[in-house]
Amino acid sequence: AQSVAQPEDQVNVAEGNPLTVKCTYSVSGNPYLFWYVQYPNRGLQFLLKYITGDNLVKGSYGFEAEFNKSQTSFHLKKPSALVSDSALYFCAVREPGYSSASKIIFGSGTRLSIRP
Amino acid sequence: IAGITQAPTSQILAAGRRMTLRCTQDMRHNAMYWYRQDLGLGLRLIHYSNTAGTTGKGEVPDGYSVSRANTDDFPLTLASAVPSQTSVYFCASSVSWGDDEQFFGPGTRLTVL
Repeated sequence: AQSVAQPEDQVNVAEGNPLTVKCTYSVSGNPYLFWYVQYPNRGLQFLLKYITGDNLVKGSYGFEAEFNKSQTSFHLKKPSALVSDSALYFCAVREPGYSSASKIIFGSGTRLSIRP
Repeated sequence: IAGITQAPTSQILAAGRRMTLRCTQDMRHNAMYWYRQDLGLGLRLIHYSNTAGTTGKGEVPDGYSVSRANTDDFPLTLASAVPSQTSVYFCASSVSWGDDEQFFGPGTRLTVL
């Protein structure tokens, strides 16, 4: 069965510094990988996804993520953090295919806090 | 364009009572989902629907039921609420089951006493 882990409950970064939010996964076959962001009292918003192709995926708000098959990781990155990036970030994984058994699984979330 | 709406925004419910959480989308998406969000556990899928007229069980379906009579509406029912069902509930939709960008509603905060 597929699973996803976000090893850090919280990440603290100074504004202007690069940020990384970690994610590792376990899935049979080639994974579909996603990042979502949740701002306070809101639903999740899609940031980016990796299905196939270039290992570096670019998404919304200047975020990018790097797929590393050998390390089974899909870390979220941004070169220069903004205070407005402070939010809860979720990594998610899904096994390839369109059967009803192929459901998306979310990680437990990482709270990103950017200090001015 | 509203996207996905959920009602109520929040609710306090006595244990043993029946409760239906409403979800409506106006994007004509085929797939819809119900998740619960609990601290430290992230989002867990309760039930889903690939298309109108079909539903399926997610990770944590016990104590919940859903129906999908039409494309737009996907209500979640707690037949007899228990305190462990205290959570924030999110409805989501996507164009199709295989289309993985999901659009989320604002959530319903449910407290069962």
